[in-house]
Amino acid sequence: EAQVTQNPRYLITVTGKKLTVTCSQNMNHEYMSWYRQDPGLGLRQIYYSMNVEVTDKGDVPEGYKVSRKEKRNFPLILESPSPNQTSLYFCASQSPMKTQYFGPGTRLLVL
Amino acid sequence: GQSLEQPSEVTAVEGAIVQINCTYQTSGFYGLSWYQQHDGGAPTFLSYNALDGLEETGRFSSFLSRSDSYGYLLLQELQMKDSASYFCAVRVLNTGGFKTIFGAGTRLFVKA
Repeated sequence: EAQVTQNPRYLITVTGKKLTVTCSQNMNHEYMSWYRQDPGLGLRQIYYSMNVEVTDKGDVPEGYKVSRKEKRNFPLILESPSPNQTSLYFCASQSPMKTQYFGPGTRLLVL
Repeated sequence: GQSLEQPSEVTAVEGAIVQINCTYQTSGFYGLSWYQQHDGGAPTFLSYNALDGLEETGRFSSFLSRSDSYGYLLLQELQMKDSASYFCAVRVLNTGGFKTIFGAGTRLFVKA
């Protein structure tokens, strides 16, 4: 089954404690993205990756890092989380026909 | 700056037709997508328009006019399960590749 998986689904952490949210897709897509969703703001792109070892900033990259060492995985790293990074995070991969497939989401609370 | 505008809320009756508009101001425009998101769920893809005109997929159609920087999503024969949020999103060429910018979303309420 074609899918995008994210882990963890829910996470409560404290300010400054490094965390990683994993994302994996099994569709061999080249393009992957991370978004955050906050009430009233829609989805905002954090980072995207056009292919392995090719990443670039989206609209809200501050406080986040990503890496793309292999095609299927695109982890999101928060080196020093702060309360304003409390949000719902979605990973997505995009087919050549421009369909984006979203993962189930990760709810993050930073205390 | 880059921006998208869509209505925050639309209400319609079951069985009716509803149109959700999206206007955008962007540079490097490549295409317009629509997504549906139910409460507590992930966005799901509905359509993508790269060229002017109407694309039809079952009860849903999407239209794009690049010269007017405008598009819409048309939902026909509305069903209660269509109550959800709908997002338009533009694909734009950035220095490092293609970015995706989403609108704030339109909440659709379908009444019996």
